[in-house]
Amino acid sequence: QQPVQSPQAVILREGEDAVINCSSSKALYSVHWYRQKHGEAPVFLMILLKGGEQKGHEKISASFNEKKQQSSLYLTASQLSYSGTYFCGTEIGNNQGGKLIFGQGTELSVKP
Amino acid sequence: NAGVMQNPRHLVRRRGQEARLRCSPMKGHSHVYWYRQLPEEGLKFMVYLQKENIIDESGMPKERFSAEFPKEGPSILRIQQVVRGDSAAYFCASSPHPGGLKFFGPGTRLTVL
Repeated sequence: QQPVQSPQAVILREGEDAVINCSSSKALYSVHWYRQKHGEAPVFLMILLKGGEQKGHEKISASFNEKKQQSSLYLTASQLSYSGTYFCGTEIGNNQGGKLIFGQGTELSVKP
Repeated sequence: NAGVMQNPRHLVRRRGQEARLRCSPMKGHSHVYWYRQLPEEGLKFMVYLQKENIIDESGMPKERFSAEFPKEGPSILRIQQVVRGDSAAYFCASSPHPGGLKFFGPGTRLTVL
């Protein structure tokens, strides 16, 4: 039931792009993306709802392919502040009370 | 509007003691979710509560762990007779409705000696 994220880790130079994928074996109602820095709380990035929409926030955007039961997070022109662990949280039905099941995380390191 | 608040931020207990972790959701949020994060691991769902009700406790260990969200006051996660394996960061998140955005508190880092 836990979604699978790939890659597990990625190292970038400042200005490079990255894609983080999140795949589920179950039909998804929504996908939530968070970033967590070491020793801190997860910070909400964006939510994608069933319907294949794509959302963006500055240089971070995401897509949701409900047919493939997967979501992807796109980071363009990465900055040092993007470093952290990215988690996708999946909701498998709108009658589940909004419970999110998180992937194992993708550790992103941006180097100068 | 204050965010989700958790206290204490750090808690040290000896084996066999009790740990009480508190979570005050954001104003207007009546849905609370507790997650546990072991070192270098992901967030594991524990329990989902609404005011005065436990909705989903499928992620809670069967023994020693309990949670409540009373009509007044914060949500409490209680761990009785703690063991070293309970050492982890415990986060709560709140939401205004079940499918809504969920915001996390700063977490309580529990260390069991």
